Amino acid sequence: AQKVTQAQTEISVVEKEDVTLDCVYETRDTTYYLFWYKQPPSGELVFLIRRNSFDEQNEISGRYSWNFQKSTSSFNFTITASQVVDSAVYFCALSEVQNAGNMLTFGGGTRLMVKP
Amino acid sequence: DSGVTQTPKHLITATGQRVTLRCSPRSGDLSVYWYQQSLDQGLQFLIQYYNGEERAKGNILERFSAQQFPDLHSELNLSSLELGDSALYFCASSVGPAVGRSDTQYFGPGTRLTVL
Repeated sequence: AQKVTQAQTEISVVEKEDVTLDCVYETRDTTYYLFWYKQPPSGELVFLIRRNSFDEQNEISGRYSWNFQKSTSSFNFTITASQVVDSAVYFCALSEVQNAGNMLTFGGGTRLMVKP
Repeated sequence: DSGVTQTPKHLITATGQRVTLRCSPRSGDLSVYWYQQSLDQGLQFLIQYYNGEERAKGNILERFSAQQFPDLHSELNLSSLELGDSALYFCASSVGPAVGRSDTQYFGPGTRLTVL
């Protein structure tokens, strides 16, 4: 069965610090997709990135970067020069394409607090 | 704004009652997913519909049911409500699923259900 673990339940940083959110996943499938979502205090879930299991290239989008390492089953998310607006709960999720549907299995989330 | 709409935003009801949550997917999306977010269970997949047909089922209670209508909107029906059903219910939509890939799911703002 698939599983996603976000060991850090809560992280607190001061503005402008860099922060890395860890995500470790388990799956028996060779083809799968990984996602990150952000849940700000307002409550909605905002899509950040989608990555398939065959693409191990790291990705950078502005202050956000993602490090996918198949060898360690990890898909970590780094925010550079954090800002107060980055304060939110961040979820890592996994989807296996072998399933009839493509349901997401979510990790428990990491609450990031960025203090001014 | 993800383009997925959910109504109502908040719902307060009593134990034993029945409620209906409504979701309209993004334009062009054929799949609708329902997820429950609670403090003790985290974010859990409930059920998926694709073009009117049930595609995948997760940990959905027998007291809960869903359907997707010809215009692709979906409704989640929760009956014989218990205190433990209090949660944030999300609807998400995607283009697929398609064989061999997992499309990005875009989430609505959620319906916060409080059972008193």
